[in-house]
Amino acid sequence: GAGVSQTPSNKVTEKGKYVELRCDPISGHTALYWYRQSLGQGPEFLIYFQGTGAADDSGLPNDRFFAVRPEGSVSTLKIQRTERGDSAVYLCASSLNVGAGDTQYFGPGTRLTVL
Amino acid sequence: GENVEQHPSTLSVQEGDSAVIKCTYSDSASNYFPWYKQELGKRPQLIIDIRSNVGEKKDQRIAVTLNKTAKHFSLHITETQPEDSAVYFCASRSGGSYIPTFGRGTSLIVHP
Repeated sequence: GAGVSQTPSNKVTEKGKYVELRCDPISGHTALYWYRQSLGQGPEFLIYFQGTGAADDSGLPNDRFFAVRPEGSVSTLKIQRTERGDSAVYLCASSLNVGAGDTQYFGPGTRLTVL
Repeated sequence: GENVEQHPSTLSVQEGDSAVIKCTYSDSASNYFPWYKQELGKRPQLIIDIRSNVGEKKDQRIAVTLNKTAKHFSLHITETQPEDSAVYFCASRSGGSYIPTFGRGTSLIVHP
């Protein structure tokens, strides 16, 4: 079946602009996670959703970052007033449920470049 | 919070040799330890995982061992092949949290 998909695959923007990154999880997966991966680093947690609600947003670096999942499926990560330091690959993952051991399946990521 | 250290950062081996990557964690309540393989420009993919109630798990050429007392776990790849070349990430997840903490990754290079 279809895996996790993310759009766009690449996004180049100018400093100060607003961007939206989209994630389509595996159908039926209730949990959805956003991570940020910088070059040479492991994925860094940003936020996760259980259903429509953000269950843990402790990884969001500041209030310029926001994410929604209004219908419990597709999620959008929104970044306001982008800064050069926001440049990274943004990964989305989904799992059937939220529980110790539930496998997370990753999307291909969106490479964000802020000029 | 949880802290995961991964070593080495780069590992170069000859085809057919074994490769071992080690990770340590800090939270004694951690109970789930997945390993991901990430090829250049691709998504991380789960290759093997282990729960805290077992000490070793094998799947063909890969195995993971867990030492809860010492709080470390290792990935073992035997009979390495060039297609094993990738970045490997370990992760640790506490029973009290649904969020895994990832190591910084090991770049494995298998020379034909």
